[in-house]
Amino acid sequence: EAAVTQSPRNKVAVTGGKVTLSCNQTNNHNNMYWYRQDTGHGLRLIHYSYGAGSTEKGDIPDGYKASRPSQENFSLILELATPSQTSVYFCASGDAVSNERLFFGHGTKLSVL
Amino acid sequence: QQKVQQSPESLTVSEGAMASLNCTFSDGTSNNFRWYRQHSAKGLEVLVSIFSDGEKEEGRFTAHLNRANLHVSLHIREPQPSDSAVYLCAVSMISNNRIFFGDGTQLVVKP
Repeated sequence: EAAVTQSPRNKVAVTGGKVTLSCNQTNNHNNMYWYRQDTGHGLRLIHYSYGAGSTEKGDIPDGYKASRPSQENFSLILELATPSQTSVYFCASGDAVSNERLFFGHGTKLSVL
Repeated sequence: QQKVQQSPESLTVSEGAMASLNCTFSDGTSNNFRWYRQHSAKGLEVLVSIFSDGEKEEGRFTAHLNRANLHVSLHIREPQPSDSAVYLCAVSMISNNRIFFGDGTQLVVKP
């Protein structure tokens, strides 16, 4: 079974601080995604990647950067965290060929105070 | 842009009664459809995938797709309290390699 691991599971940050959320997948999937989930908004796509070295903007990229240094790792970076970025963040990986099912991590709960 | 809407927002059923969830999408060229389940603040797990009109069954979970009506549904047979979760509809478009999610239906199954 595919495995997607996120770290940390919980994070409390201060406004203006830098936050890095990490994601690792062991499936050798080309595609990786970062979503945030908020009540009333469902899952919204922040950034995604087609492979090592590539990052693409999703639907709500403002205030976020992404980094894909390798096939396995995909990070989400908040350079200057704001309270509006308090949310639950999910990483997912998927196969590029057929847009098939996504495998999700367990999520990171981020609180920005 | 693809719009995916789910109904109802929340649904309460008794254990053993059929649960039916609905999902409509705006772009008829959509390719793949999946239903995911999310237990409170945990990751999502896929329940059933459907790629062509008709019905697809995975255990107690059955998806129905009608592209002409821009509608996909999920039916849960003999639901159990452990099925209480948020159910998300996902619509994929190979044309732009994008996946769009609905806002989810909160299902509560009462013993």
